[in-house]
Amino acid sequence: GEDVEQSLFLSVREGDSSVINCTYTDSSSTYLYWYKQEPGAGLQLLTYIFSNMDMKQDQRLTVLLNKKDKHLSLRIADTQTGDSAIYFCAEKRGGSYIPTFGRGTSLIVHP
Amino acid sequence: DAGVTQSPTHLIKTRGQHVTLRCSPISGHKSVSWYQQVLGQGPQFIFQYYEKEERGRGNFPDRFSARQFPNYSSELNVNALLLGDSALYLCASSLGAGTENEKLFFGSGTQLSVL
Repeated sequence: GEDVEQSLFLSVREGDSSVINCTYTDSSSTYLYWYKQEPGAGLQLLTYIFSNMDMKQDQRLTVLLNKKDKHLSLRIADTQTGDSAIYFCAEKRGGSYIPTFGRGTSLIVHP
Repeated sequence: DAGVTQSPTHLIKTRGQHVTLRCSPISGHKSVSWYQQVLGQGPQFIFQYYEKEERGRGNFPDRFSARQFPNYSSELNVNALLLGDSALYLCASSLGAGTENEKLFFGSGTQLSVL
């Protein structure tokens, strides 16, 4: 199976919270990342978390890490139409310079 | 400051041809990585270069090659193009200092279509 798995789609109403989930397989992962890709653009790093942390908050973004279950989530509070994009989870394994990406979750925000 | 720039933005080629894609990293960044993103998939790692040396290679055939120049810009070359090479090719730059949490900054990509 895939090293990094994400659900493909998420639809939310404007103003609600969005939660995007990701699972990974390698227990040696040291850093985990969330990237955002808007149509016709490259990937933009949103936030990251080190593997010895459980949670990281950055304004409207909250990252939760359950290392035991190898589960990562990104919560976006007060979701806006401008948050509509594809969100990629990525992991970086110990000793590697190269992150491995999931297939991406397409977030659709409707009024 | 300019971000990562890639050229061309779009390219149409036919099977069997070769293609050269170009990337200029953020000023001060010494490492460049190349990724292939097929529609509906996440980016797949192709190469990483640091100080003109290859630092990593993904699971791609020998038709794919790359190099990095003294000014840290980079080219990705693909020979004998196949229909399956149609994808968005992304370049990312990073400081290249070798720290574990080395953040990647992506360009907007080159959309390659092979007919």
